[in-house]
Amino acid sequence: EVQLVESGGALVQPGGSLRLSCAVSGFIFSDHYMDWVRQAPGKGLEWVARSKHKPENYNTEYAASVRGRFSISRDDSTNSLHLQMNSLKTDDTAVYYCVRTRGGPYSAFDYWGQGTLVAVSS
Amino acid sequence: DIQMTQSPPSLSASVGDRVTITCRTSQGISIRLAWFQQKPGKAPKSLIYDVSRLQSGVPSKFSGSGSGTDFTLTIASLQPEDFATYYCQQSYAYPLTFGGGTRVEIK
Repeated sequence: EVQLVESGGALVQPGGSLRLSCAVSGFIFSDHYMDWVRQAPGKGLEWVARSKHKPENYNTEYAASVRGRFSISRDDSTNSLHLQMNSLKTDDTAVYYCVRTRGGPYSAFDYWGQGTLVAVSS
Repeated sequence: DIQMTQSPPSLSASVGDRVTITCRTSQGISIRLAWFQQKPGKAPKSLIYDVSRLQSGVPSKFSGSGSGTDFTLTIASLQPEDFATYYCQQSYAYPLTFGGGTRVEIK
């Protein structure tokens, strides 16, 4: 059974940092692109970042709104995906979802975690 | 960026109704169009990928169609558990983008 479990969400001040984690199980982690998608309170879904699969050296892609501030990474030894978030802004307040894709290039999202809440406020 | 325009933003329907939601993209995206269902306070659920392919475990009352820049999600015979917000999304080009959502409410 595929499982994605996020952790690390918290209340943080503007300008602060936070690291989200997603523990995955039930599939071969290195075969799949993995993403972070967020949802601000009462708003729609916004794609944040992608880690491609092992054949593409885990190359990354970012939304313009987070490029240079956020960094996605993965650890195959612990089957975990991470999102390092620096220079946080109030606009980063959202539920952050860890999402698996069906495989490699152009593949669609299939499994979602339950989400972890990040609140940026003074 | 590829813009995703969903319509209508919301609709009211009755149990048993057939419902159609439209998603228009600002440029061609081949077949890289997916649909998601989200209920209040819950994570999104993947329904359809590559325009018309059902994700595993998704009932056949959900169907997708379209090509080029115009796509539709159809729910045949709406049931109480189908009242939710639905999003389309393209995986053709970065940044990946979502439609604004369509809220399906009970009439």
